[in-house]
Amino acid sequence: AQTVTQSQPEMSVQEAETVTLSCTYDTSESNYYLFWYKQPPSRQMILVIRQEAYKQQNATENRFSVNFQKAAKSFSLKISDSQLGDTAMYFCAFMKHPQEYGNKLVFGAGTILRVKS
Amino acid sequence: EAGVTQFPSHSVIEKGQTVTLRCDPISGHDNLYWYRRVMGKEIKFLLHFVKESKQDESGMPNNRFLAERTGGTYSTLKVQPAELEDSGVYFCASSLGLWNTEAFFGQGTRLTVV
Repeated sequence: AQTVTQSQPEMSVQEAETVTLSCTYDTSESNYYLFWYKQPPSRQMILVIRQEAYKQQNATENRFSVNFQKAAKSFSLKISDSQLGDTAMYFCAFMKHPQEYGNKLVFGAGTILRVKS
Repeated sequence: EAGVTQFPSHSVIEKGQTVTLRCDPISGHDNLYWYRRVMGKEIKFLLHFVKESKQDESGMPNNRFLAERTGGTYSTLKVQPAELEDSGVYFCASSLGLWNTEAFFGQGTRLTVV
């Protein structure tokens, strides 16, 4: 079974600075997807960034980037130029390569990120 | 386009009572998932519908939980009778179809059993 571990329950960062959230996972699969989801206070969880395991290049979405280390089974999220709106719970998640109609997500416990002004 | 809608947003019930949670997925999304987060722990998968059929219900904790998806549209998750350990946040998500990896989540229903 797959497991996802987020070792940082809470983190804080000053506005405009950079912060890195850690995530490690365990799987015997060779092809899979990794995700970071963000849940702002009292709002819906939204996808921040997605990485396909067979792609060596790290995914980037504007101020969000990942450091994907497949051999180490590590998938960290870097947020550059942090903004107050980045305050949220961040979940790391794993998905086996979809077979027929998509697949379920395995989540970590989440990291609360607070951006301070 | 409307997102995934869940209601109620909050529910407080007594142990032994019945509660029904509802999820309206994004129109046209064949896949519908239920997840649960208990006491600040990991979000755990409960089950997966493809249209009206249960594709995977391996995460359902016990037979007090019953999920349905009538006509492949909205879904309900009924807990009967509710126990204290059922308290948590229940999330619904939907995704489009074949090979689609992005899931769209609702805001969740916070269930408190007292």
